[in-house]
Amino acid sequence: EDKVVQSPLSLVVHEGDTVTLNCSYEVTNFRSLLWYKQEKKAPTFLFMLTSSGIEKKSGRLSSILDKKELFSILNITATQTGDSAIYLCAVEVLGGSQGNLIFGKGTKLSVKP
Amino acid sequence: NAGVTQTPKFQVLKTGQSMTLQCAQDMNHNSMYWYRQDPGMGLRLIYYSASEGTTDKGEVPNGYNVSRLNKREFSLRLESAAPSQTSVYFCASLVDRGFTEAFFGQGTRLTVV
Repeated sequence: EDKVVQSPLSLVVHEGDTVTLNCSYEVTNFRSLLWYKQEKKAPTFLFMLTSSGIEKKSGRLSSILDKKELFSILNITATQTGDSAIYLCAVEVLGGSQGNLIFGKGTKLSVKP
Repeated sequence: NAGVTQTPKFQVLKTGQSMTLQCAQDMNHNSMYWYRQDPGMGLRLIYYSASEGTTDKGEVPNGYNVSRLNKREFSLRLESAAPSQTSVYFCASLVDRGFTEAFFGQGTRLTVV
C-alpha cells in the first residue's frame, strides 16, 4: 500500500529559527513529490520535485528530494509568524488505485513572536 | 477566473439528514477529487473522477456518493449524515503539466450534530 509519512506532526518555534520538515514515502510508480502550504483555507502549491539532489528555492523556503532513501525535506530559514501553517507533502503516483496524489498527515508549524 | 468553487462554505446537519456538496471548476480539467480533512489526518481521498463519466472510490468512501454531472461539476452527497462525517471537505481539480497540479476549492466546514 502506498504511504507518505511526515514528521514531526507539529512543531513550535520562535521567529528567526530555522526549521526542517520531513517527508518519507513508500510508493510504487513514483512520479513526483509536492509540497503544499495550508493556512486557514485551501492548500497552496509550494514545490514540485522529481529529481534527486536538485534543490528548489523560493525565498526563505527550500526543498530537496532523495529518491534513493525515499524522502524529502522542506527547510524554512529565519521563520516568521506568517509561516505558521500546516505543511502537506504529497507524492504523485502513476496508475495508483487511490488516485494520483497520496498525502501525508501534514506538519503543523507554529511560529511564536 | 474563479478556479474551483465549492458551496456551501459552512453547514450544520442533524444526524440522519442528507445534503449535497457542490463543486465546479472552470479550467477545463478532466480530473476532479473530493477530500476530507480531519485534525492531524492530512487530506484523505473520498472519491475521484479521472474524466467525465467515471468515478472511483478513494481511501474513505463509506457514507458518501458522488456524481460527475459534466466536465465542470463534481458533487458529493451524504445520504444519511453521521457525526463521524464532521470534517472539512475540499474539492480539487487536477491537471497534468508534466506533474499533477491540484487546484483546491476553499473548503466546506460540515458539522453533524
